[in-house]
Amino acid sequence: AQKITQTQPGMFVQEKEAVTLDCTYDTSDPSYGLFWYKQPSSGEMIFLIYQGSYDQQNATEGRYSLNFQKARKSANLVISASQLGDSAMYFCAMREGRGAQKLVFGQGTRLTINP
Amino acid sequence: GAGVSQSPSNKVTEKGKDVELRCDPISGHTALYWYRQSLGQGLEFLIYFQGNSAPDKSGLPSDRFSAERTGGSVSTLTIQRTQQEDSAVYLCASSLLTGLRNEKLFFGSGTQLSVL
Repeated sequence: AQKITQTQPGMFVQEKEAVTLDCTYDTSDPSYGLFWYKQPSSGEMIFLIYQGSYDQQNATEGRYSLNFQKARKSANLVISASQLGDSAMYFCAMREGRGAQKLVFGQGTRLTINP
Repeated sequence: GAGVSQSPSNKVTEKGKDVELRCDPISGHTALYWYRQSLGQGLEFLIYFQGNSAPDKSGLPSDRFSAERTGGSVSTLTIQRTQQEDSAVYLCASSLLTGLRNEKLFFGSGTQLSVL
């Protein structure tokens, strides 16, 4: 079974609009962390934002925020005021359990910002 | 070093040949990870090192794949008798190993492997 599901293979939005990238996850462990990474065409993976399973508030980092709905097991990334430089692949990932180290990644969403 | 360094950046090989991919993690990072990314796909976990030992090698797809890490630093991923399906970008990442759930991974730029 997929641990991380990203149902949007591609998204197209106009510059300056807000965009939501979907991510649902599957775990029975109460202790887990959720990450979003950005991968531009150059290939490097850039960390964007983190949400812990016990965090009471949704995470925010500048223009990035995470819409964390624990009961629904979703952790959607919201990018406000999108810019042309936001065009990239976006990956949701999870680390589950105490002492676990590896991140399990979803298939990604390719975001294209149109001028 | 300033970041995770991988070499070579590109490798073209013939089917059946062995290849070695190198990863030099960020100085002081105890944890090291190898992932594989096929064209347009997500990242597939291969193996994780804690120091020089590999407590999780569950993602290695076959016994043709092996990895080692020496001196708690540089790691080498070896693929023997390469097959065309091995063609992918191989990404290395490292982290401090704080034990905290929010510990993020720092990635290298990857090695693009093409098996002809």
